[in-house]
Amino acid sequence: SQKIEQNSEALNIQEGKTATLTCNYTNYSPAYLQWYRQDPGRGPVFLLLIRENEKEKRKERLKVTFDTTLKQSLFHITASQPADSATYLCALSRRRSNDYKLSFGAGTTVTVRA
Amino acid sequence: NAGVTQTPKFQVLKTGQSMTLQCAQDMNHNSMYWYRQDPGMGLRLIYYSASEGTTDKGEVPNGYNVSRLNKREFSLRLESAAPSQTSVYFCASKGTGGPTDTQYFGPGTRLTVL
Repeated sequence: SQKIEQNSEALNIQEGKTATLTCNYTNYSPAYLQWYRQDPGRGPVFLLLIRENEKEKRKERLKVTFDTTLKQSLFHITASQPADSATYLCALSRRRSNDYKLSFGAGTTVTVRA
Repeated sequence: NAGVTQTPKFQVLKTGQSMTLQCAQDMNHNSMYWYRQDPGMGLRLIYYSASEGTTDKGEVPNGYNVSRLNKREFSLRLESAAPSQTSVYFCASKGTGGPTDTQYFGPGTRLTVL
């Protein structure tokens, strides 16, 4: 069966350190992988997209890698700040029928301590 | 722009009652989606609409129906609510059927079925 697995444990880190989140998948051949941020009581918000032929993507303090051989994506938050505290979701994009749909992991909750 | 709006924000139902969750977007998007989010699980797709006038089942459609009223609005109906439908429901929209399109989410409806 198809599975998307993110860090099962919540991540607690000190301000200024780098947070690294993992997204592993099985039985998928995604064309694209996306990362979303979700704050408590709110809907997810898009952060970054990476294509299957890209190894790395950066946006400000965020960096995403995508290894289709390992079937894994890593999401890094560098120089973390308390405002980065949230749940981060990875999502795989695949073409199904007449649309590209997303399949989501359960998310990893990050808490950054001041 | 309001983006994606959902009503109501909270709802408590008794088993067997029916209700309709409303969703509207003002971004002129073609595709709209309904997800449910349960603790420890990723967002799961209930139904989607790739364009006005079309709807299709997602991963967990049983117990739900949808209506794409027009390009802006996509409603989700529970005909006979069950405790297993206690969840947070998110509506999302996406511009086109393209693979790099990202989804924009509403704030969610928190539904409890007693």
